[in-house]
Amino acid sequence: GESVGLHLPTLSVQEGDNSIINCAYSNSASDYFIWYKQESGKGPQFIIDIRSNMDKRQGQRVTVLLNKTVKHLSLQIAATQPGDSAVYFCAEPTPNFNKFYFGSGTKLNVKP
Amino acid sequence: GAGVSQSPRYKVAKRGQDVALRCDPISGHVSLFWYQQALGQGPEFLTYFQNEAQLDKSGLPSDRFFAERPEGSVSTLKIQRTQQEDSAVYLCASSRGQGATDTQYFGPGTRLTVL
Repeated sequence: GESVGLHLPTLSVQEGDNSIINCAYSNSASDYFIWYKQESGKGPQFIIDIRSNMDKRQGQRVTVLLNKTVKHLSLQIAATQPGDSAVYFCAEPTPNFNKFYFGSGTKLNVKP
Repeated sequence: GAGVSQSPRYKVAKRGQDVALRCDPISGHVSLFWYQQALGQGPEFLTYFQNEAQLDKSGLPSDRFFAERPEGSVSTLKIQRTQQEDSAVYLCASSRGQGATDTQYFGPGTRLTVL
């Protein structure tokens, strides 16, 4: 399944399928991006980050892709598991690089 | 420490009461941030400390909100004369680097309910 971020806040996928969560960012000068996972009742948990000198970065079952041309970020989760059910946020620095801006997130539901 | 800790985890206050929320960042982290998170929304920035200096408080919604980090470690967010609209989860995060140049690690949050 694929999400377009703020325009489709909920993504439902079957267990075992791959998930793609998208995020559009606004500041072309942003040079660092972070993906967070937030489970119900918990604080956001760091998943993976990427700097603007990279197009792709892989972690354990997760891959982040960065397309600076269209200012787009995506998080790919391989073989989605029930434990992946959460809200996912991308974060980008504000123009003064003093703080991060978080979108409203995408909720991922994994169906068994 | 192993991670960012916050206390209390839950706080119920009557409208008009003052509350104090505590954050213990990861040891050695220079930067500390407070965020407010409403139900179904992403974290909204409140304020940022670099060591003991409060460099950005542009997100504090009113002068009823006050934050401090006197020794550059533990921080306290104080809300005076609480209102119902202050009900939210208050998140604290810390990072090794300055500002938005490094990964922020979050605590579990304090859920504030104002009756």
